[in-house]
Amino acid sequence: SQQGEEDPQALSIQEGENATMNCSYKTSINNLQWYRQNSGRGLVHLILIRSNEREKHSGRLRVTLDTSKKSSSLLITASRAADTASYFCATVGSASGTYKYIFGTGTRLKVLA
Amino acid sequence: GAVVSQHPSWVICKSGTSVKIECRSLDFQATTMFWYRQFPKQSLMLMATSNEGSKATYEQGVEKDKFLINHASLTLSTLTVTSAHPEDSSFYICRGDRGRPEAFFGQGTRLTVV
Repeated sequence: SQQGEEDPQALSIQEGENATMNCSYKTSINNLQWYRQNSGRGLVHLILIRSNEREKHSGRLRVTLDTSKKSSSLLITASRAADTASYFCATVGSASGTYKYIFGTGTRLKVLA
Repeated sequence: GAVVSQHPSWVICKSGTSVKIECRSLDFQATTMFWYRQFPKQSLMLMATSNEGSKATYEQGVEKDKFLINHASLTLSTLTVTSAHPEDSSFYICRGDRGRPEAFFGQGTRLTVV
């Protein structure tokens, strides 16, 4: 399967703590994106990091990318109960003018108030 | 920004009936539409890729006669689940592509077959 692997599969933390989730992939990429999905809902785009970037910040989010190891990490600082959701990485590769997304297995984050 | 409108957002149907899901790109032309399926507590898996005016390409293990995809125009793609069964109950989501790395996902459709 080409699907990316994420770990941990599930993470439970206290409000205010940081949450880190990791994504590993197999193919070459144009960029890597992180999404949040609340239970039974659609995808919310969080952040995009290009293959030539190593780190990117957006508010309480910090994403790193190591293309030599084919891995990425998402750090959520000072977590809140509202951050409870599933988080997916998606590797994006281009072929024949279109972009193919391959999603990771996801990390279910639970932030306890 | 570009928007893909998907509906219905949820549908309950009886076993053996067919269900159509629509995805419309509202302010751009989606030359390619991707359809994904997500079972509970699992990730999104690509089902098929459709290009406007041509037959869809299905991923391995996806029955093309069961999941009919039509991409008749640059702004509309439909997925029809034919003769639905309870095991087809899932979350279906589309993504419109216009040749850029940014993603334009629909809101998703929760299908429950009873």
